[in-house]
Amino acid sequence: DADVTQTPRNRITKTGKRIMLECSQTKGHDRMYWYRQDPGLGLRLIYYSFDVKDINKGEISDGYSVSRQAQAKFSLSLESAIPNQTALYFCATSATGTREETQYFGPGTRLLVL
Amino acid sequence: QKEVEQNSGPLSVPEGAIASLNCTYSDRVSQSFFWYRQYSGKSPELIMSIYSNGDKEDGRFTAQLNKASQYVSLLIRDSQPSDSATYLCAVGERGSGNTGKLIFGQGTTLQVKP
Repeated sequence: DADVTQTPRNRITKTGKRIMLECSQTKGHDRMYWYRQDPGLGLRLIYYSFDVKDINKGEISDGYSVSRQAQAKFSLSLESAIPNQTALYFCATSATGTREETQYFGPGTRLLVL
Repeated sequence: QKEVEQNSGPLSVPEGAIASLNCTYSDRVSQSFFWYRQYSGKSPELIMSIYSNGDKEDGRFTAQLNKASQYVSLLIRDSQPSDSATYLCAVGERGSGNTGKLIFGQGTTLQVKP
């Protein structure tokens, strides 16, 4: 079984709709991250969380919100989707302690906003 | 602004050759460095991490770090067509300590031709 899972894997939605992307992990890591990837722009950090009560904005948080429901679950919401949020979204995890910057990625969610 | 720079490529090498991928970073206090491999449409996969100046070898992969020159490279020996992918360089961000975040380069596309 995959250590980091993301649902859905693909999603098509319309402008103005609210959608949620979910991430779950069985690695026992306390840190979780949401990134988006666009062609030519690399990976950009949206939000990150170092434990259940800790939520931090990344470099491109506008238009997004997150919820850390449990240590193993971290959800990303688009409150009102817009076409320029079309991208590949990745969840990642890491563990506090030695080598805590080492991040492991989920399989990704491909989102298309029409 | 802290930056990680990579040549986007594509870098084309014949099968069996050595592929050399390069990365420079702007924050001279950075301490941790990573190489991820990403196949088209897939998630980044960690292949190497390096923390000290010098070389680190793992199978056909060698990471090289020169903190004085703010330069990190990845060598792939005996390149195979299956090595064709985008290689992402990532650097651990430093604040008063580790921030727990990675700064990613845009990636270098490697093509290994049979």
